[in-house]
Amino acid sequence: AQSVAQPEDQVNVAEGNPLTVKCTYSVSGNPYLFWYVQYPNRGLQFLLKYITGDNLVKGSYGFEAEFNKSQTSFHLKKPSALVSDSALYFCAARGADTGRRALTFGSGTRLQVQP
Amino acid sequence: GAGVSQSPSNKVTEKGKDVELRCDPISGHTALYWYRQSLGQGLEFLIYFQGNSAPDKSGLPSDRFSAERTGGSVSTLTIQRTQQEDSAVYLCASSLALGGDTQYFGPGTRLTVL
Repeated sequence: AQSVAQPEDQVNVAEGNPLTVKCTYSVSGNPYLFWYVQYPNRGLQFLLKYITGDNLVKGSYGFEAEFNKSQTSFHLKKPSALVSDSALYFCAARGADTGRRALTFGSGTRLQVQP
Repeated sequence: GAGVSQSPSNKVTEKGKDVELRCDPISGHTALYWYRQSLGQGLEFLIYFQGNSAPDKSGLPSDRFSAERTGGSVSTLTIQRTQQEDSAVYLCASSLALGGDTQYFGPGTRLTVL
């Protein structure tokens, strides 16, 4: 069975500081990994994904994520946080080698960036 | 349209009533997904359609839930005899169904069962 863990319910960071939102996963075989962001009363907005290739993936709004196969992690990072980055972030995964296309999501991490 | 659209945006119903939620995917996307987001929780997969293949219904929580996709485009999720625990935001997503394709989500329908 697939699973995704986001160990932190909330991450607080000061504006201008680097941020990290943690994610670990468990899937059969190779993973496809995704990060989405959700603003209040809005749907999920795609940020970035890892399919294959370079372990460091760059996405929208200056976000990046690093795929670590040995640690089964896909942490989201940004060098300098903005107040407007405050939102709910979801990590998602699915197995690349299975026919099941549904994503398994983590429980979400609320990012609070303080001015 | 440019993105996935869903209607209604909000639905309030009484316990025991049936409801229908609609999803219009991105044009050209052959895969369509329904997820449910309960208050304070992550997203739970419900059902997946891909072209003319039989849908993956493995996530439907009970036989009160059903969905159809007409003409490979618009989808309707139906919940019969709604219960209070059905209250949630129902999200629809679509994708190209190619390799590691990205699922793009609609704004959701917030369902409240009184």
